[in-house]
Amino acid sequence: RKEVEQDPGPFNVPEGATVAFNCTYSNSASQSFFWYRQDCRKEPKLLMSVYSSGNEDGRFTAQLNRASQYISLLIRDSKLSDSATYLCVVNIDAGNNRKLIWGLGTSLAVNP
Amino acid sequence: DAGITQSPRHKVTETGTPVTLRCHQTENHRYMYWYRQDPGHGLRLIHYSYGVKDTDKGEVSDGYSVSRSKTEDFLLTLESATSSQTSVYFCAIKPFGKMEANTEAFFGQGTRLTVV
Repeated sequence: RKEVEQDPGPFNVPEGATVAFNCTYSNSASQSFFWYRQDCRKEPKLLMSVYSSGNEDGRFTAQLNRASQYISLLIRDSKLSDSATYLCVVNIDAGNNRKLIWGLGTSLAVNP
Repeated sequence: DAGITQSPRHKVTETGTPVTLRCHQTENHRYMYWYRQDPGHGLRLIHYSYGVKDTDKGEVSDGYSVSRSKTEDFLLTLESATSSQTSVYFCAIKPFGKMEANTEAFFGQGTRLTVV
């Protein structure tokens, strides 16, 4: 089982749609959680951190459920510019072993 | 801008030749990482460093070595390049401060390496 698993893609949605991505993680030493966005042939960039109480940044909402080891990202009112791959990332923090574990990503295409 | 630069940005090399990729940071961060990204695999950690001369292996370290002789530079060497090492290589830094666990990673723009 992969340490971080994401929804299989790709997602094709019309502009204005609401879309949700899911991510599960297996390592209980996971300390912090992130959603990154990666445009084609570019480096990943942080979209948002995920906090225990859930957090919102404009049209984007992230949720964390530690008991179920589950993270989600909700995008409301999708824009063409939201088309990208969304990567779920988990930070393992155990002593000198600090690593980011990356999901494979979910591809989103927002269509006119 | 997290002050990370990778060089070269693109390289084509022949099988069996050594290749060194450079990651340079300007902000004195302790942790640096080398990843490779391939279709169907996502980002996989090759090696990481938690200080000068302190490095450790990641999940796909075979065929790679690293060196960190000063804080700002983290070098990745393919000792004898193979076609399976054709990939996009990303360097990353992860700033650590008081809230060590909850900081984002910043990436360089990547190096596209083709081994022919």
